[in-house]
Amino acid sequence: DAGVIQSPRHEVTEMGQEVTLRCKPISGHNSLFWYRQTMMRGLELLIYFNNNVPIDDSGMPEDRFSAKMPNASFSTLKIQPSEPRDSAVYFCASRQEILNTEAFFGQGTRLTVV
Amino acid sequence: DQQVKQNSPSLSVQEGRISILNCDYTNSMFDYFLWYKKYPAEGPTFLISISSIKDKNEDGRFTVFLNKSAKHLSLHIVPSQPGDSAVYFCAASSSNTGNQFYFGTGTSLTVIP
Repeated sequence: DAGVIQSPRHEVTEMGQEVTLRCKPISGHNSLFWYRQTMMRGLELLIYFNNNVPIDDSGMPEDRFSAKMPNASFSTLKIQPSEPRDSAVYFCASRQEILNTEAFFGQGTRLTVV
Repeated sequence: DQQVKQNSPSLSVQEGRISILNCDYTNSMFDYFLWYKKYPAEGPTFLISISSIKDKNEDGRFTVFLNKSAKHLSLHIVPSQPGDSAVYFCAASSSNTGNQFYFGTGTSLTVIP
């Protein structure tokens, strides 16, 4: 397996624009996480899906952020409208929860909002 | 509110010596703990884990210790090598409250040759 795949690797956008980050989890994994890495908060959990259903979205900072998981092999994190303070590295991770294993991370998307 | 805390943003250690990275947590429901290692421009990679039924887990040069009464865990690296230089994240989860992983802010380890 190629691991968790995120796209794009880098995104530069202007304030006010819509941004969509994409994630393909490892095949067979039934849990998916979106994290944001910042200096102040480290790896901050934004949302957690289990079997494609959002279980905990309490970490989503505000209504400008939304996430979907239409099927077991794809998820998106959307920011609309984007703001400069959204600039960070966004990570997607997946896990096979039944086996109680660790989560595997993608390489991240570095988002810069100017 | 940060449920997992790493109070040391950075640590420098001489090659060959022991590196000790610390982590504290506030949620007594956490029952599974992990350490991840992260190099620049890469995603975090799993290093070692421990269940709350144990107080120690060892894997080669890496040992994790868990003190449940103090809500504290630590990662020991012996001997430290220059390739260990990275950011280390502590994480915790609870099988009773959803299994999502909560991470700390990370500790940047530099091993000096």
